[in-house]
Amino acid sequence: EVQLVESGGGVVRPGGSLRLSCAASGFTFDDYGMSWVRQAPGKGLEWVSGINWNGGSTGYADSVKGRFTISRDNAKNSLYLQMNSLRAEDTALYHCARRGLGLSPYYYYMDVWGKGTTVTVSS
Amino acid sequence: DIQLTQSPSFLSASVGDRVTITCRASQGISSYLAWYQQKPGKAPKLLIYAASTLQSGVPSRFSGSGSGTEFTLTISSLQPEDFATYYCQQLNSYPPITFGQGTKLEIK
Repeated sequence: EVQLVESGGGVVRPGGSLRLSCAASGFTFDDYGMSWVRQAPGKGLEWVSGINWNGGSTGYADSVKGRFTISRDNAKNSLYLQMNSLRAEDTALYHCARRGLGLSPYYYYMDVWGKGTTVTVSS
Repeated sequence: DIQLTQSPSFLSASVGDRVTITCRASQGISSYLAWYQQKPGKAPKLLIYAASTLQSGVPSRFSGSGSGTEFTLTISSLQPEDFATYYCQQLNSYPPITFGQGTKLEIK
């Protein structure tokens, strides 16, 4: 079964850091680009970051650029999101998601999603 | 950044109805558009990609059309399990990827 399982969420004070992880199984992880997408309570979906199959190309939303870093370890079938200088507006459920199979942005839709891990930034 | 505007934001319909949701892009995005369904407390589910390609396993009552700046998602005959929130997503201007604000489909 194709599966993505996120972990690492929690409660953190403004200015703090967290590292999210996403464990992939049931597919050849290094064939696929990956993304992080978040959803604030009661709000819509917001793309956060994406990474290609080997980690050589990454992209970020303006709202997190310079604060968040996406990475992957293909040997461990894992995706990560290092979040620094956290703000109250980063409070959300964070999903990791698999991109479609292909190299161009045409395939950057998300065909498999994890259930998410909750990040709460509060003093 | 490219903005996506969905209409309507809320839609009330009955089982068996045909419904259409529109997604308009602030500039042309060719066919770089996907549609998702999200039910409360669940992760989003991919329905359609490349504007009109049905994702494997998605019922054929769902269809997508459009290119450039205007796109539609149509459900030909609403089923009880279709009541959910729907999002469009553009991939043309990566980064970033942007989503529409969502359309909540409720039972009349």
